[in-house]
Amino acid sequence: DVKVTQSSRYLVKRTGEKVFLECVQDMDHENMFWYRQDPGLGLRLIYFSYDVKMKEKGDIPEGYSVSREKKERFSLILESASTNQTSMYLCASSSETGEGREKLFFGSGTQLSVL
Amino acid sequence: AQTVTQSQPEMSVQEAETVTLSCTYDTSENNYYLFWYKQPPSRQMILVIRQEAYKQQNATENRFSVNFQKAAKSFSLKISDSQLGDTAMYFCAFMGENYGGSQGNLIFGKGTKLSVKP
Repeated sequence: DVKVTQSSRYLVKRTGEKVFLECVQDMDHENMFWYRQDPGLGLRLIYFSYDVKMKEKGDIPEGYSVSREKKERFSLILESASTNQTSMYLCASSSETGEGREKLFFGSGTQLSVL
Repeated sequence: AQTVTQSQPEMSVQEAETVTLSCTYDTSENNYYLFWYKQPPSRQMILVIRQEAYKQQNATENRFSVNFQKAAKSFSLKISDSQLGDTAMYFCAFMGENYGGSQGNLIFGKGTKLSVKP
């Protein structure tokens, strides 16, 4: 069974802390994505990566960075967490080839609270 | 820029009845993909149904079907014989063939919260 695993389901951090959200996929997918989900706003793309060490900004990259040192792992980094980054974070992956490109597999999300 | 609009923030339906969720989108592309995703309380996003714009036939998956009107840029989801397990957030999403040179970014609507009542 294919899987996208996010390291934490719930996370509480303090303002100014450096926060790492980890995502691992076991499907050998080329593409990985980080979305942020807020009530009434839907999902918005923060960053995506289409290969190891490659990254591109999505719609709301400010305040975030990412790292992809290995194909299966895509990390989202909040350099200095702020209260307006309290949100649900969803990781997803997809294959580069064939029908896989149009089918995203999602993790179960990390609910981050910044106090 | 592509946009996706879901005009119904919340809806409710009685068990066993039929409900239709609305979605409109805006794009200048000719070929693209449209999706409906379901997010139950477990938070796991589940792909419900997918439509390719070049296909005129509306997609169906068991109790779920779409009404795809390309000229009107409309993509509604019909759920027949609603079940309690259909209670969830439903997101409409768009993916262009050549969006920003990337390999597949989904653009989501804001979602419709569907409650199925016994």
